[in-house]
Formats: sequence, structure tokens, C-alpha cells
Amino acid sequence: AQSVSQHNHHVILSEAASLELGCNYSYGGTVNLFWYVQYPGQHLQLLLKYFSGDPLVKGIKGFEAEFIKSKFSFNLRKPSVQWSDTAEYFCAVKAPGRRALTFGSGTRLQVQP
Amino acid sequence: DAGVTQSPTHLIKTRGQQVTLRCSPKSGHDTVSWYQQALGQGPQFIFQYYEEEERQRGNFPDRFSGHQFPNYSSELNVNALLLGDSALYLCASSGLRGDEQFFGPGTRLTVL
Repeated sequence: AQSVSQHNHHVILSEAASLELGCNYSYGGTVNLFWYVQYPGQHLQLLLKYFSGDPLVKGIKGFEAEFIKSKFSFNLRKPSVQWSDTAEYFCAVKAPGRRALTFGSGTRLQVQP
Repeated sequence: DAGVTQSPTHLIKTRGQQVTLRCSPKSGHDTVSWYQQALGQGPQFIFQYYEEEERQRGNFPDRFSGHQFPNYSSELNVNALLLGDSALYLCASSGLRGDEQFFGPGTRLTVL
């Protein structure tokens, strides 16, 4: 069975600091990878996704993620965070041909002005 | 273009009762998935409906059942509610390729 680990449960940063959130998955085959964000009081929104090709994926709002197959990782990065990035971030995995997304437990990011 | 909509927004039930949650997919989408998000956790897959049939199911008991209608909207039913069923229930829709799922705002269910 697939599983996703997000080791950082709660991250507190100051504005303009750089961000890296870890995501590791366990699955032996090809996977589709996603980062979703849940702003306070809002629904889950897709930040970025990786299916194939360039392992460095750029998403919305200046976020990017790098797929490292040998490490089973898909870490999320942003060079300079803003207060408006305060949210919960979820990494998710889907095997091609499978229908379910498997989510990590989430990382709560708090950006202090 | 309306996104995924869910109703009701909030619901309070007591143990042993039954509940029905509703979802309308994003325009152009024909597949609906349901997830349960407990407090402090990531969403967990319950099941997915396509062509009015359950296509895949997660690790949830038979008390959780669903339905999809010809217009692609869907219902999630939970029988014999337990305190542990208290959670945010999310509906997600996807299109033919199924590569990306779009989520609704969720229904917050509280079981007392």
C-alpha cells in the first residue's frame, strides 16, 4: 500500500524566509505527485503536480517542488514566504491507473509578519 | 464556471443516526471521489464513483455507502453513526483522464 510521510507537522517562519517542506512516499512504481494547500477557511487547492518529465515542477504563487526518484521524495520549496502563505500543506500520491489520492498528514505553516 | 459544491456545510447528528451528504462535481467532470478528513489529519479516501458505479473503495466499513446520479452528482451515506465519524467530508471531482482532482469546501459532520 502507498503511504506518504510529511515529517514537519508545524513550521513557523518569518516573512521573506525560505521554505522547504519535506514529503516522502512509499511506492515501488511510477507515481503521480501533488501538493495541495488549504488556506484558513478555504477548500483544498492544487499548488502543483508532477506526472513525468522535468523533475523540477513550478506551481502557483511562486512554489516549486523537486521529484527525487532515488529518495522517494517530492519536497516543496519557496524562496521567500509571505504572510499570506499561512496555511496547511498536504503532499499526495496517486499511482497511475489507481483512483485514490493518498495524502500525508499535512504541515501547518505559520508565517509571522 | 462553478467548482465542486457540497451540502450541507455543517451537520450535527447523534450516535446511531444516519446522514446523507451531497456533492455536485465541477462542470465537465464525471467522476466523484469522497474523502474523510479527521482533525489534524490528511484526507483519507473513502470511495470513488464513475458511471453511477463504485469503482474503488478505501478502508472504510460498509456503514459508508454512496450513490452517483445520471447528472454525475453524488451522495455519501453513513449509517449507525459513531463518535469517530466526526470529521470534514470532502468531495472531489475529476474528468476523463482523472489525473487531477478538484475539491469542494467540505461538510463538517459532528456526531454527539
